Amino acid sequence: RKEVEQDPGPFNVPEGATVAFNCTYSNSASQSFFWYRQDCRKEPKLLMSVYSSGNEDGRFTAQLNRASQYISLLIRDSKLSDSATYLCVVNKMVQGTYKYIFGTGTRLKVLA
Amino acid sequence: DADVTQTPRNRITKTGKRIMLECSQTKGHDRMYWYRQDPGLGLRLIYYSFDVKDINKGEISDGYSVSRQAQAKFSLSLESAIPNQTALYFCATSDTERDRDWSDTQYFGPGTRLTVL
Repeated sequence: RKEVEQDPGPFNVPEGATVAFNCTYSNSASQSFFWYRQDCRKEPKLLMSVYSSGNEDGRFTAQLNRASQYISLLIRDSKLSDSATYLCVVNKMVQGTYKYIFGTGTRLKVLA
Repeated sequence: DADVTQTPRNRITKTGKRIMLECSQTKGHDRMYWYRQDPGLGLRLIYYSFDVKDINKGEISDGYSVSRQAQAKFSLSLESAIPNQTALYFCATSDTERDRDWSDTQYFGPGTRLTVL
């Protein structure tokens, strides 16, 4: 089982739709979580950090469920420009140091 | 100007050649990282450095070496390139106090697309 699992998609949604992605993680001791956005062949860019139960930034909401070990990302009122791959990242203690563990990403296509 | 830069942006080389990828940052961060990304796989950590005198192996360091020439510069070398090192390579930086490692936020360079023939 992968340490961080995401549905690869693609999720094809019309403009204006609400879409949600889930990410599950295996290490219950993980303390912080991130969503990064990655456009094709570009670098990952931080979208949101999640340290407690959740975080909201405009149309984007991230929620953390520690009991079930998953993080979700909700995008409301989808825009064409939201089309990208969304990477779930878990910060995990490895040999005394926290390290990023990446999911493989969920691809979103917003259609006109 | 970009905070984290990588050179070259694209490189095609042959098996057995030595190649160096360079990363520079103007963010003033102490911590720097090298990752590779392959289709269908998440980013994987190759090496990381928490300051100029600190170099650590990541999960896939075999076949790679690094040099931290200054706080702002971190280079990745492939001593003898092989085709399965064909990938997209990212440099990243972060600036977190050691007792707040858990909240570390990393910032990525634009990537180097490396093809080994």
